[in-house]
Amino acid sequence: DTAVSQTPKYLVTQMGNDKSIKCEQNLGHDTMYWYKQDSKKFLKIMFSYNNKELIINETVPNRFSPKSPDKAHLNLHINSLELGDSAVYFCASSQGYRGEQFFGPGTRLTVL
Amino acid sequence: AQKITQTQPGMFVQEKEAVTLDCTYDTSDQSYGLFWYKQPSSGEMIFLIYQGSYDEQNATEGRYSLNFQKARKSANLVISASQLGDSAMYFCAMREVNNAGNMLTFGGGTRLMVKP
Repeated sequence: DTAVSQTPKYLVTQMGNDKSIKCEQNLGHDTMYWYKQDSKKFLKIMFSYNNKELIINETVPNRFSPKSPDKAHLNLHINSLELGDSAVYFCASSQGYRGEQFFGPGTRLTVL
Repeated sequence: AQKITQTQPGMFVQEKEAVTLDCTYDTSDQSYGLFWYKQPSSGEMIFLIYQGSYDEQNATEGRYSLNFQKARKSANLVISASQLGDSAMYFCAMREVNNAGNMLTFGGGTRLMVKP
């Protein structure tokens, strides 16, 4: 059973398009996240979502928006894609104070 | 200032030997958590080990142990008896209790290469 899954695994698109990445977790966790990993492997938190409370990293452009239809899903919508958005995007989830986060397999986004 | 610093961008280790990956952190919180993740070439992020700031014992998980020196603000990962499958990127991360949203701050990573 996959604990945290993401679709698609690869996404290639043109600049200016709008795209979504889906994330689902079957761990029963109450908190989900989106991270961006750039070409130098640096990982940066984008969003944290817990019980309808959204915490946004202030450096994330407002073209990015997470949407959570229910506790097990946190999708990432990106409007007006730019070349600099090319990266690997990871979804993660956790439960409780300890904050051990389980990551999805990642989605490699390439903007042409 | 960097909150998590991993000073070794790349390291080699001989198979079956032990290796230490360095991690130093910066926080003014008294309560925080430190994590290590492994990222193999396939790309997934694999949780390895956790150390709480109030934990008196160093954390251990199989061949992984964490050398936690609170006064020095270091949380080095020790891998014993290295295997070829240990070749990967390793990331140190910190969660601060005052960090709204339970977010982790990651270091820049260390690429470990195990030689046969």
